[in-house]
Amino acid sequence: EAQVTQNPRYLITVTGKKLTVTCSQNMNHEYMSWYRQDPGLGLRQIYYSMNVEVTDKGDVPEGYKVSRKEKRNFPLILESPSPNQTSLYFCATAFEVNTGELFFGEGSRLTVL
Amino acid sequence: AQSVTQLDSQVPVFEEAPVELRCNYSSSVSVYLFWYVQYPNQGLQLLLKYLSGSTLVKGINGFEAEFNKSQTSFHLRKPSVHISDTAEYFCAVSGAGGYNKLIFGAGTRLAVHP
Repeated sequence: EAQVTQNPRYLITVTGKKLTVTCSQNMNHEYMSWYRQDPGLGLRQIYYSMNVEVTDKGDVPEGYKVSRKEKRNFPLILESPSPNQTSLYFCATAFEVNTGELFFGEGSRLTVL
Repeated sequence: AQSVTQLDSQVPVFEEAPVELRCNYSSSVSVYLFWYVQYPNQGLQLLLKYLSGSTLVKGINGFEAEFNKSQTSFHLRKPSVHISDTAEYFCAVSGAGGYNKLIFGAGTRLAVHP
């Protein structure tokens, strides 16, 4: 079964405590992306990766880091989380991002106190 | 630059009534258009997409959308909704020529009442 798996699904943390949200896909897609979803703002892209070792900033990259050392994994790193990073995060993958279908994980709800 | 505007943040409707969710876009290049649906506590899934050809696109669950280039719109319709259609719907746009990203609208929450 085609899957995009995110962990953790829910996390409450405190300001400044580094955390990583993992994303793994089993579809052999080259393209992977992270979005954050906030009420009234829809989904905004944080970072994306066209292939292993190739990453680029999306629209809201400040405060986030990513890495793509393997094709299947694309972790999102918050080095020093702040309350404005409280949000619902989605990882997504695609065979071809412009014309194809994005496959989403189930989301990771992060609360930063 | 590209942008997407979903004209209604919430749409309440009674079961078996028709519904239209409105989406307008702006772009300086040729576009590809998408509608995604998000059920409670789930990720998004593709409903339908327009790449080229016929401007009327049919998707899953009885939904359809019409691409109107002159009005830069891509409205989503369903002739008769069910309770199970209650969800948030997102319109999205990408561009031709290797744009490599999908821009989402703010979403429309469809609430179907019995």
